[in-house]
Amino acid sequence: EAQVTQNPRYLITVTGKKLTVTCSQNMNHEYMSWYRQDPGLGLRQIYYSMNVEVTDKGDVPEGYKVSRKEKRNFPLILESPSPNQTSLYFCASRAGTGGYGYTFGSGTRLTVV
Amino acid sequence: GEDVEQSLFLSVREGDSSVINCTYTDSSSTYLYWYKQEPGAGLQLLTYIFSNMDMKQDQRLTVLLNKKDKHLSLRIADTQTGDSAIYFCAAGVTNAGKSTFGDGTTLTVKP
Repeated sequence: EAQVTQNPRYLITVTGKKLTVTCSQNMNHEYMSWYRQDPGLGLRQIYYSMNVEVTDKGDVPEGYKVSRKEKRNFPLILESPSPNQTSLYFCASRAGTGGYGYTFGSGTRLTVV
Repeated sequence: GEDVEQSLFLSVREGDSSVINCTYTDSSSTYLYWYKQEPGAGLQLLTYIFSNMDMKQDQRLTVLLNKKDKHLSLRIADTQTGDSAIYFCAAGVTNAGKSTFGDGTTLTVKP
């Protein structure tokens, strides 16, 4: 089944403790992206990648890192999480050509206390 | 940068048509999408339209694009209770990874 898999689905952590949210897709998509969803603020793009070793900042990149060492994986790294990073995070992927839309993962609900 | 705006709420009766509207600012946007998000789930692509199209129909869904006014709409015919969800409009440029989403319109369908 074609899908984007994120882990974990739920995570509660403490301020300053480094964490990684994993994302993997099995569709051989070139593009991958991370979004955060907050009430009243909609969906905001954190980082995106157009291919292996090519990443770029979205609208809200501060406090996040990403890497794209393999085509299928695009982990989101929070080096020193803070409470304002409490949010619902989505990973998504899409093909590089054709303009087809993103396929989204099921989301990771992160709480930083 | 691109800005995408939608009204936040829409309530309709079962069987009626729903129309969700969206405006965007970047005239270079080459594709526009509608996504649906059900409670506790990720976003699901419903349909898309390229900027060189005026209309696209897909079963109960009709997308209208007014490129001059940068206005996009999604019409759902014969709306059912299962259509209750948040609907997101998104805009982007071909071969660019950046996509901008609206804040979402919460559609409530009353029996």
